[in-house]
Amino acid sequence: AQKVTQAQTEISVVEKEDVTLDCVYETRDTTYYLFWYKQPPSGELVFLIRRNSFDEQNEISGRYSWNFQKSTSSFNFTITASQVVDSAVYFCALSEIGDDKIIFGKGTRLHILP
Amino acid sequence: DAEITQSPRHKITETGRQVTLACHQTWNHNNMFWYRQDLGHGLRLIHYSYGVQDTNKGEVSDGYSVSRSNTEDLPLTLESAASSQTSVYFCASSYGGVTDTQYFGPGTRLTVL
Repeated sequence: AQKVTQAQTEISVVEKEDVTLDCVYETRDTTYYLFWYKQPPSGELVFLIRRNSFDEQNEISGRYSWNFQKSTSSFNFTITASQVVDSAVYFCALSEIGDDKIIFGKGTRLHILP
Repeated sequence: DAEITQSPRHKITETGRQVTLACHQTWNHNNMFWYRQDLGHGLRLIHYSYGVQDTNKGEVSDGYSVSRSNTEDLPLTLESAASSQTSVYFCASSYGGVTDTQYFGPGTRLTVL
């Protein structure tokens, strides 16, 4: 069965520090997709990244980077030089080919302290 | 620009009343989804649709219904609102199936008294 675990319920770091949000998933499929979404205090859900199971290259987008490791079933998200605007709840999600839903983790609330 | 909107943004209703939450997207996406978000549970799928006249039950569909009469809209109806349905409701759409990126509306905060 699919499962997404975000073990870090809440993290606080001081601005400009680097921070990594962990995501561990379970799936029996060989073809699947992983996602990260951001939910800022305003409440909307903002798409950040989608990655398929055949692409293990790390991704960098500005201060954001993602480390996908199939060997450990992890898809971790790192924010470099964090800023107060990065304060949000971050969700990791998983979907499988042939399934009918995306499974979301319970989210990690990130506080960036000035 | 294409977008997905939800209305109302906030709603207070009483137990037993019928409530309909609207979702409208201009992406021309085939697939639309309704989720509820509750503390400790993250996002849970209520219903989804892969096209006009198609509807499917999700993980927490009891007490909810949807209908899809056109591509743009997927209204969510609470037949007889219960306090347990107090939540934030999100609508989403995607072009492809569930493995495609879903784009979310701004959410509706529903309180059932």
